[in-house]
Amino acid sequence: QKEVEQNSGPLSVPEGAIASLNCTYSDRGSQSFFWYRQYSGKSPELIMFIYSNGDKEDGRFTAQLNKASQYVSLLIRDSQPSDSATYLCAGGTPSGGGADGLTFGKGTHLIIQP
Amino acid sequence: DTAVSQTPKYLVTQMGNDKSIKCEQNLGHDTMYWYKQDSKKFLKIMFSYNNKELIINETVPNRFSPKSPDKAHLNLHINSLELGDSAVYFCASSHLGVENEQFFGPGTRLTVL
Repeated sequence: QKEVEQNSGPLSVPEGAIASLNCTYSDRGSQSFFWYRQYSGKSPELIMFIYSNGDKEDGRFTAQLNKASQYVSLLIRDSQPSDSATYLCAGGTPSGGGADGLTFGKGTHLIIQP
Repeated sequence: DTAVSQTPKYLVTQMGNDKSIKCEQNLGHDTMYWYKQDSKKFLKIMFSYNNKELIINETVPNRFSPKSPDKAHLNLHINSLELGDSAVYFCASSHLGVENEQFFGPGTRLTVL
């Protein structure tokens, strides 16, 4: 059973601070990891993806992956009120054919306080 | 616009009815998906499909069936709708391979009365 676990929150962070979102996964066969942001009533949109152990930075966002600990995180620096949303962590496990969906966590609701 | 589109955006129907949701992508992707997001916002894969392989999540009732007339379309047909089918259904597409970003459609909110 593939599972991705996230703390549902809400996680409240002051504007300008660093927001830290965490996720663990159960399937050691997972090879790719994604962070999606979802505003209320909207569809998920990709923020970051990471495949290799270590850190990956893109603007204010840094994704971190530790395959030994089966742990993925997303850091948001200089948090803005517009970052308030639900953040979905997802893992991809190839079955061999490649036509695989992602396994999503239940999402962390992030609130940036002005 | 380059995107994944779904119709209808809202669908309200009675228990026992049969309904379809259409999905189209013009991104040139070869793989399409259907996800269900329940009232607790949990997003769960239902189907993955490309022109060679259909992968069905084993928890999906056989009342649900994907139909793909071509690579750019993956429609979802639901028979004998039940109250528990009420949810938001998202279509997505990507290039083949779990390393590739999946682009999501706007979602279809299905309400079964």
